[in-house]
Amino acid sequence: AQKITQTQPGMFVQEKEAVTLDCTYDTSDPSYGLFWYKQPSSGEMIFLIYQGSYDQQNATEGRYSLNFQKARKSANLVISASQLGDSAMYFCALTSGGGNKLTFGTGTQLKVEL
Amino acid sequence: EAGVTQSPTHLIKTRGQQATLRCSPISGHTSVYWYQQALGLGLQFLLWYDEGEERNRGNFPPRFSGRQFPNYSSELNVNALELEDSALYLCASSPIYGQVGNEQFFGPGTRLTVL
Repeated sequence: AQKITQTQPGMFVQEKEAVTLDCTYDTSDPSYGLFWYKQPSSGEMIFLIYQGSYDQQNATEGRYSLNFQKARKSANLVISASQLGDSAMYFCALTSGGGNKLTFGTGTQLKVEL
Repeated sequence: EAGVTQSPTHLIKTRGQQATLRCSPISGHTSVYWYQQALGLGLQFLLWYDEGEERNRGNFPPRFSGRQFPNYSSELNVNALELEDSALYLCASSPIYGQVGNEQFFGPGTRLTVL
């Protein structure tokens, strides 16, 4: 069985500061992938970043980076230089065993303040 | 390149009725996924179609069904609607079957309200 845990229901960060959103996962499959998606109030899910279980380096995409600690089964998202437009719900998701379905965490609501 | 499209944007039905939701994947994508996002329950995997076949199904009753057409578009049908079926239904597509790293591209969703 796959499981994703996001323990922060809500987070606040000041504009231009960095913020870390936590994600831990559980899977017995040695081959898996971890995704982060952003969901603004409009509802659409926007892909942010991907980390494969065999990737040697932590993934980065612009202001987004993934702090992947395989032994601890954690895949935290780091957003640098937060912007007001970053205010949204953030979901961590896991896929494994053939890569068909995504298992999502419960999400973290991020609010960026002036 | 056009993204994943879904119709209708909003759908209001009464208990016991049937709802049909539609999804068109990104051109060239063969896999279509359906997810339900109900208040308080998070995002739950519903169904996965690839090349016209149902490949996997989440923990939902049989009154949730669907199909994928030869042009890879997909339809989700929900029969005998219940109040708890009220949710945002998200469709996603991905280009290649069976690869762990496949990003799923999501549509804007259909918000179903059951009265």
